[in-house]
Amino acid sequence: DAKTTQPTSMDCAEGRAANLPCNHSTISGNEYVYWYRQIHSQGPQYIIHGLKNNETNEMASLIITEDRKSSTLILPHATLRDTAVYYCIVRASLNSGYSTLTFGKGTMLLVSP
Amino acid sequence: EAQVTQNPRYLITVTGKKLTVTCSQNMNHEYMSWYRQDPGLGLRQIYYSMNVEVTDKGDVPEGYKVSRKEKRNFPLILESPSPNQTSLYFCASREGAGGANVLTFGAGSRLTVL
Repeated sequence: DAKTTQPTSMDCAEGRAANLPCNHSTISGNEYVYWYRQIHSQGPQYIIHGLKNNETNEMASLIITEDRKSSTLILPHATLRDTAVYYCIVRASLNSGYSTLTFGKGTMLLVSP
Repeated sequence: EAQVTQNPRYLITVTGKKLTVTCSQNMNHEYMSWYRQDPGLGLRQIYYSMNVEVTDKGDVPEGYKVSRKEKRNFPLILESPSPNQTSLYFCASREGAGGANVLTFGAGSRLTVL
């Protein structure tokens, strides 16, 4: 699996966009980028995933660079409830069977008033 | 509501007293998995199951057993709990192979072994 590198922590003001970076320079052609988050001691929650095109859903946007070596998760208008640990995971998806998602240490995002 | 339900949510027990943490999902998912989470170690997979009667070890299976007799249920069994199994446990499920790796997690079960 491609290894990911994320900052340990980030701060964001409420109402502003939160941009969480992730480096995955060893990603291979069939590997997707997944983002999950975990609010304190709750079960992790799926946010979004993508292969090479930018993706957007009701929670966030995912921007993947053209060379696919890095990506950014964007929360357009962060709220206090977005304070959580955000995990960037790279893993093969379609036709890969039951590949396990490996959660690293993630980025602790603190949204402040 | 689509969900994964774990019970109990909190449990304090003593060394050696067998216990079972139940996990049930209502999404007809084929794949189910158990994770434990410890400070500084992140989420680690204990066991997973690809379908009924099919289970396999994850990264930290020692001291645990699982069974998958029905598609919706995947209990985690601690035959003889020890203090190093004090942890926060999560059950998760997803669709079958070929789909996206989108896991739905339960709310967690906090276990303390004295």
